[in-house]
Amino acid sequence: EVQLVESGGGLVQPGGSLRLSCEVSGFTFSNYWMHWVRQAPGKGLVWISRINSDGSTTNYADSVKGRFTISRDNAKNSVYLEMNSLRVEDTAVYFCASLRGTVTTHDYWGQGTLVTVSS
Amino acid sequence: EIVMTQSPATLSVSPGERATLSCRASQSISNNLAWYQQKPGQAPRLLIYGASTRATDVPATFNGGGSGTEFTLTISSLQSEDFAVYYCQQYDIWPRTFGQGTKVEIK
Repeated sequence: EVQLVESGGGLVQPGGSLRLSCEVSGFTFSNYWMHWVRQAPGKGLVWISRINSDGSTTNYADSVKGRFTISRDNAKNSVYLEMNSLRVEDTAVYFCASLRGTVTTHDYWGQGTLVTVSS
Repeated sequence: EIVMTQSPATLSVSPGERATLSCRASQSISNNLAWYQQKPGQAPRLLIYGASTRATDVPATFNGGGSGTEFTLTISSLQSEDFAVYYCQQYDIWPRTFGQGTKVEIK
């Protein structure tokens, strides 16, 4: 059974930091790109970051570039999102995912973890 | 980045009726388009990829079509479990982008 389990969300003040984790099981984690997608309360889905299979390539949406850092540890089957200089508008449920694409033939999502940025 | 525009924002449909959802890309994305279904409190579920291929275990009542810039998702006979929000997503050109969603509600 495939599982993606996010953790690390919570309440943080503006300007603060959080580190999200996503532990994966049930597929060969080290072969695939991993993504973070977020969803603000009552809003749509927004892709924010991705990392390739060996961690050598990372990409970010403009809205988080310079503040968020994606990383992975293939020995631990885990992907991370380090979030700094958090803003109220970063409040969202954050999903980790291995997304269907032109190469990846599966599509797996975690259950999401809520990050609330508020004073 | 490619902008994905979905219409309508909300679709009110009676159970058993057909629903047709639209998604337009701001530039050609070939057939590199996916449709997702999302219910409250849940992660999105992949329905369609490659614009028209149903994902595993997706009922035949869901059909995707289109290519280039214009795409549709048709639900041929709405069941109670189909009332949800539907998103299109392009994966042709980085960054991946989603449409803003269409909410299919019970009429």
